[in-house]
Amino acid sequence: KAGVTQTPRYLIKTRGQQVTLSCSPISGHRSVSWYQQTPGQGLQFLFEYFSETQRNKGNFPGRFSGRQFSNSRSEMNVSTLELGDSALYLCASSLLPGGAVGANVLTFGAGSRLTVL
Amino acid sequence: TQLLEQSPQFLSIQEGENLTVYCNSSSVFSSLQWYRQEPGEGPVLLVTVVTGGEVKKLKRLTFQFGDARKDSSLHITAAQPGDTGLYLCAGISNDYKLSFGAGTTVTVRA
Repeated sequence: KAGVTQTPRYLIKTRGQQVTLSCSPISGHRSVSWYQQTPGQGLQFLFEYFSETQRNKGNFPGRFSGRQFSNSRSEMNVSTLELGDSALYLCASSLLPGGAVGANVLTFGAGSRLTVL
Repeated sequence: TQLLEQSPQFLSIQEGENLTVYCNSSSVFSSLQWYRQEPGEGPVLLVTVVTGGEVKKLKRLTFQFGDARKDSSLHITAAQPGDTGLYLCAGISNDYKLSFGAGTTVTVRA
């Protein structure tokens, strides 16, 4: 079965612009989590959605937002981009919310690499 | 400040050598996971350890969860170039939140 699909894979923006990233989870998975990955900080949790509801949010400014649609696809948006937003944004899907517990394995997409100039 | 500290940050070894990566925290976790991430890909789960003192083996990879459930190690025997990648540990707290370490970049030279 198809894995987690993230689009676009690469994008370049300038400071002050906004960006929308998309994530299509594995078929049947209803939970989607987003992470920001940078070389020095590793993976930082952004937010988690289940059944179109945000269940958990990380410690990021309000410029970072997301949503989930009825087909479980999710989007995240970053407004007023800053240089420090340059990162690999990873999406992970799982059957259930609440992180990786027992058989509820997280499957990651390949990520969207955002460069802010 | 990372909840989970991984060491070393970088590791470069020759094919056939052994290596160990460490993951340490001051927090107690209900379970701990190890992932490997290759360039251009997302992290892929290798193993989940649940019980304090648990040791799991996956072919040439040996994973250990500390008795106090605060630390873990990953040992690779006779490393191969295919083992090259970023190794990430992730702790799962009692409220099911997942916290990642910054990762250890392993390079195995042929």
